[in-house]
Amino acid sequence: AQSVTQLDSQVPVFEEAPVELRCNYSSSVSVYLFWYVQYPNQGLQLLLKYLSGSTLVKGINGFEAEFNKSQTSFHLRKPSVHISDTAEYFCAVSEGGTSYGKLTFGQGTILTVHP
Amino acid sequence: GAVVSQHPSRVICKSGTSVKIECRSLDFQATTMFWYRQFPKQSLMLMATSNEGSKATYEQGVEKDKFLINHASLTLSTLTVTSAHPEDSSFYICSARGWGFTDTQYFGPGTRLTVL
Repeated sequence: AQSVTQLDSQVPVFEEAPVELRCNYSSSVSVYLFWYVQYPNQGLQLLLKYLSGSTLVKGINGFEAEFNKSQTSFHLRKPSVHISDTAEYFCAVSEGGTSYGKLTFGQGTILTVHP
Repeated sequence: GAVVSQHPSRVICKSGTSVKIECRSLDFQATTMFWYRQFPKQSLMLMATSNEGSKATYEQGVEKDKFLINHASLTLSTLTVTSAHPEDSSFYICSARGWGFTDTQYFGPGTRLTVL
């Protein structure tokens, strides 16, 4: 069975500062990894995904993430955040095989950007 | 591209009534749709997976007779909460994946259900 751990439930940061949201996963097979963002009372928007190939993945809104297989991590980063980045961020993993496409989510990290 | 809509966005109903939530893929054919439930300040929990034209697969602990899922076409899935009770109040979110991007789920905006 797969699992996802987001190490920080809340991350406060000042505007224009860099940020890293941490995500670790466990799985016995190869995985696909995703980061989604959720604004209040809305659904989830895909930020970026890792399927294969380059371990550094660039997404929308200036976010990027790096897949580290040895550390089973997929941390999300942005070099300079804006007030509009305030939202909840979810890391998710899916496996191949019979559960192909089934997502397991982390607990979420609330990013609050202060002026 | 890959837009998913849900209707209604909010619904309030009395205890004992049934509520239907629609999930539509607007610009692609959804081979598979997923239904999630999200409690306040918590993550998403998968309730069921539905493939077009076949019965839904429910996660352990989810009552099939209470949460009826129909995936009658490649662009529409419905979730019906039967005989709703206050404990069914939650945020319900659907997602879909389609041909050409079977690795990625795209999410709807969610439906806030409040049962009085």
